[in-house]
Amino acid sequence: QKEVEQDPGPLSVPEGAIVSLNCTYSNSAFQYFMWYRQYSRKGPELLMYTYSSGNKEDGRFTAQVDKSSKYISLFIRDSQPSDSATYLCAMTFMNTGFQKLVFGTGTRLLVSP
Amino acid sequence: EPEVTQTPSHQVTQMGQEVILRCVPISNHLYFYWYRQILGQKVEFLVSFYNNEISEKSEIFDDQFSVERPDGSNFTLKIRSTKLEDSAMYFCASRRGTARGEQYFGPGTRLTVT
Repeated sequence: QKEVEQDPGPLSVPEGAIVSLNCTYSNSAFQYFMWYRQYSRKGPELLMYTYSSGNKEDGRFTAQVDKSSKYISLFIRDSQPSDSATYLCAMTFMNTGFQKLVFGTGTRLLVSP
Repeated sequence: EPEVTQTPSHQVTQMGQEVILRCVPISNHLYFYWYRQILGQKVEFLVSFYNNEISEKSEIFDDQFSVERPDGSNFTLKIRSTKLEDSAMYFCASRRGTARGEQYFGPGTRLTVT
């Protein structure tokens, strides 16, 4: 079983749609969760980070964590063509240490005008 | 807004040659990382660096790889004798401190080994 699983997509939606992106993980020691956006041949751009179960909102983005189910989600409201990118979930441990990130494979999102 | 920078953006080298990839992390950050992403695959951890020494490395980070922080601003990844399979995007990342887990990534260096 992979440590972090993410549907690679592509996920195609019309402009204005609500997008739901998801990851599951197997290691219950993961406590800190991040979502990155990556445009083609560019570096990952941090969108959201959270370390507790529940929801965290930032503008059009909401990150949701369910540690009991080992499931995290990113919701994008009012999606725009400029949101077309690959979305990477990443997670790490919150204990002492140097906290390497473990990434999912990424979901490619296409928002059509 | 401070950001991580990397040079060069693209490096082409011949198999067996040495390459040095350079990064300037965000200035008040204390933890530094290298990751790589082979085309079409996921981002993979290579090495973390703190207090002027390697704190963790992956299986990928073998004796051909080394990292250095030669001064107060630069952070480098050296590949001593490149192989075809080293062709990938290499990302540098930095993190502020133990209380904040989020890592900020640079734009990457695309390494092509021919």
